[in-house]
This record gives sequence, structure tokens and C-alpha cells, in this order.
Amino acid sequence: GNSVTQMEGPVTLSEEAFLTINCTYTATGYPSLFWYVQYPGEGLQLLLKATKADDKGSNKGFEATYRKETTSFHLEKGSVQVSDSAVYFCALSDPNTGNQFYFGTGTSLTVIP
Amino acid sequence: DVKVTQSSRYLVKRTGEKVFLECVQDMDHENMFWYRQDPGLGLRLIYFSYDVKMKEKGDIPEGYSVSREKKERFSLILESASTNQTSMYLCASIAGGDLHQPQHFGDGTRLSIL
Repeated sequence: GNSVTQMEGPVTLSEEAFLTINCTYTATGYPSLFWYVQYPGEGLQLLLKATKADDKGSNKGFEATYRKETTSFHLEKGSVQVSDSAVYFCALSDPNTGNQFYFGTGTSLTVIP
Repeated sequence: DVKVTQSSRYLVKRTGEKVFLECVQDMDHENMFWYRQDPGLGLRLIYFSYDVKMKEKGDIPEGYSVSREKKERFSLILESASTNQTSMYLCASIAGGDLHQPQHFGDGTRLSIL
């Protein structure tokens, strides 16, 4: 079946530190992969996506590369800001299951000045 | 931009009440979803719908039902609310056909059952 596993938090970093949030997946087909961000009190917003192997998604300084050989889609940012404090969700959609999405459990990030 | 609107940001109800959570999307999307979000458990799918009057059970449908009478509106119903249904509820929508597009989410309804 389909599943997403992401690193447990919470993660606390100082401003300008390097961020990595690990995400690995299991899928029966050839999924598309997504990172969503949830700011306090809000719904999920799309951060970036990649639709095929070796694609790199990027947005707001965040990047993630679709690695089929390691079934991974790790989120990285070179220099985090206080405003990046949020919960981050890794997700996949599998064409074999229509438009259903499968989400990781979320990783809470706090960036301190 | 896609807009998914959930009718309430915060809701407080009593045990045994029938509760309605409403979701409206403005992009003519075929597919709509209801999730609940709990700490440490991520998002869990309750129900989804591929078209008007169609519904499919997700992973945790017990204690819930849904209604989709119009394409733009997807309602989640708690038939007899219980305290273990206190949670954040998120609605999402996505167009049919293109399987590489993201789901679009509303801002969520934080529901407390007393």
C-alpha cells in the first residue's frame, strides 16, 4: 500500500541554520510528491511538489528532490527564518488510487532568533 | 487562486448533538475530502467524494456521514457528537483527471465537544 514516513519532531533551530526534514515513502505506482506547510491556526498550504523521479521542487528557499532509488523526498532550506516556524507535511498522490493523498504525521519546526 | 472555505473556524458543541461542518470550493473541482487532524497522528481521511451525490469511506468513517448535493459544497455530519470527536477538521478539493495537482485546503474548523 501507500504510506509516508517523516522524521519526528519537534525540531528547534536557530535563525540562519540549515534545515533538513526527512521524508520517505512507499507507493504501489509512480506517485507525485508534495510538501505542505501549516502555520498556526491555518490550513495546509502547498509549499512545493515534484511529479517524477529526479525532479526538484523549490519555493521560498525550500527545496526537495524526488529520489526514486531511495524512495525519499527530503525537505531542505539553507538558512531558516523565524517566519518559517510551522508544521511541515510530506504527502504523496498515487495515480493508481485516483486523487487520494497520503500524508506523513507532520514535523513541527520552531526557529528561534 | 483556488478558494476552499470552511464555514466556521471554531465550534463548540455538546455530546449527543448533531453537528454540521460545511465546506465550499469555488473552482468547480470534482473531488472533495474531509480529514481530521490530531497531534501525532497527522491527517486521517474520513470521507471523500468524486462527484455530486457520490461518497466513499476513508480510513476513519465511523461516527460520521457526508452529503454532496451540489458540486461546490461538501458537508460533514457528526450524527451524535462524542468527546473523542474533538479535533481539527480540514476540507480539501482537487480537480479530477490531472493526478499531479495538489489538494487545496480550507483553513480548518477546530471543533470542541463538551
